[in-house]
Amino acid sequence: TQLLEQSPQFLSIQEGENLTVYCNSSSVFSSLQWYRQEPGEGPVLLVTVVTGGEVKKLKRLTFQFGDARKDSSLHITAAQPGDTGLYLCAGVEGAQKLVFGQGTRLTINP
Amino acid sequence: EAGVTQSPTHLIKTRGQQATLRCSPISGHTSVYWYQQALGLGLQFLLWYDEGEERNRGNFPPRFSGRQFPNYSSELNVNALELEDSALYLCASSFGSGGREQYFGPGTRLTVT
Repeated sequence: TQLLEQSPQFLSIQEGENLTVYCNSSSVFSSLQWYRQEPGEGPVLLVTVVTGGEVKKLKRLTFQFGDARKDSSLHITAAQPGDTGLYLCAGVEGAQKLVFGQGTRLTINP
Repeated sequence: EAGVTQSPTHLIKTRGQQATLRCSPISGHTSVYWYQQALGLGLQFLLWYDEGEERNRGNFPPRFSGRQFPNYSSELNVNALELEDSALYLCASSFGSGGREQYFGPGTRLTVT
C-alpha cells in the first residue's frame, strides 16, 4: 500500500495570513484529491488533480499536483476563520481505492 | 439531490457485542466504501463494495464485515467489539468503481465501553 504524508500535522495562524500544506509520497498516484472535514461531519471533496504539474484554483485555495505525480500542495491566501478544519489529501491507488494522508488540522484565529 | 446518509449517528456498545452500521449512497451511485477514522488519525480504508460484491478490503480483521444490498445500500458489521474499535465510521459512495470521486456521509460515531 502506498503511503501519503502530510505536513504540517497542525497549523494555527491568524486571519489574513497565507499558508501552504504539503502532501508527499514516494509513489506515483494516478490522481490526487483534497478534502476538508469539519468536526462531526464527513470529508467534503474540494478538488481532484490528475495531470502532473496541474494547478487548480478554488477561490482563495490553490492546488498543485507535482510534475512526477508523487506530491501535491494546497495554498490558501488570506486565510479566514471559515477555512478552519481538517484537510486531507488522498491518492488514488491503482484503480481501486483511496489512500488518505493523516491530515492537517488547520485553525484560523480571528 | 440527497447526499450519502448513515445511521445511526451515534452508537454505544459494550466490549464483546456486535455493531451494525448502515449507509445509503447517493442515488445512481453503485460503489460504497467504508472507512474508519480513529480520534486524531486519518481515514483507514475498510471495505469497498460495488454491484453487490466485495471488491477490496483493508488491513482489518475478519470480524469487520459487511454487505451491499440490491438497492446499493450497505451495512457494516463489527463482531466481538473491542475498545479500540471506538471511532468514527464513514461511508462514501461513487458513481462507478475504482477510486473515482467519493462523496462521504456524516459518519457513525461508535463508542465501545
